[in-house]
Amino acid sequence: KQEVTQIPAALSVPEGENLVLNCSFTDSAIYNLQWFRQDPGKGLTSLLLIQSSQREQTSGRLNASLDKSSGRSTLYIAASQPGDSATYLCAVTYAGGTSYGKLTFGQGTILTVHP
Amino acid sequence: EPEVTQTPSHQVTQMGQEVILRCVPISNHLYFYWYRQILGQKVEFLVSFYNNEISEKSEIFDDQFSVERPDGSNFTLKIRSTKLEDSAMYFCASSELGQGAGELFFGEGSRLTVL
Repeated sequence: KQEVTQIPAALSVPEGENLVLNCSFTDSAIYNLQWFRQDPGKGLTSLLLIQSSQREQTSGRLNASLDKSSGRSTLYIAASQPGDSATYLCAVTYAGGTSYGKLTFGQGTILTVHP
Repeated sequence: EPEVTQTPSHQVTQMGQEVILRCVPISNHLYFYWYRQILGQKVEFLVSFYNNEISEKSEIFDDQFSVERPDGSNFTLKIRSTKLEDSAMYFCASSELGQGAGELFFGEGSRLTVL
């Protein structure tokens, strides 16, 4: 059974700092990995999608990497801002069986960026 | 930008009552999903739907749950006889591609409170 773990559970940084969020998954047979942002009481906003054949994806100040063989992904946020404060979720799509977009989520990293 | 919309944003119901949660997926998407998030827990997969039938469902998605695409735009989740433990945020999602290749886009969620 696929398990997704995110470290750290919470992170508090001063504005302007570069930071890294970690995600690990137990089964390397994945189609893709997706990073989401969730604001309190809100929905999930897709940040980046990395297909299993890719090593990284970039969007603005965000860069996500994927090392499928070791079951790890990192989300790098450059020059953090208070508006980046949110919960960041990692999710993978398992390539085995009859998976039709079934995402398995981690528990998230709660990020606080203080001015 | 196209988005997934969900109604209602919050519903309070009595235990044993039937609830219908509604979703309008992104118009050119073909794959539809329901996920839920119990307060403080991980986001969990419930069901995926393609070509007017269920593609995959989790063990959570028992006989009290059903999904339907009654017309060309809506996608609904029905909970027949609600229980206290059904209290959660329910998220609808859609993707253009299936087979794990597609990026999932989520709605803002419907918060269900069962009393």
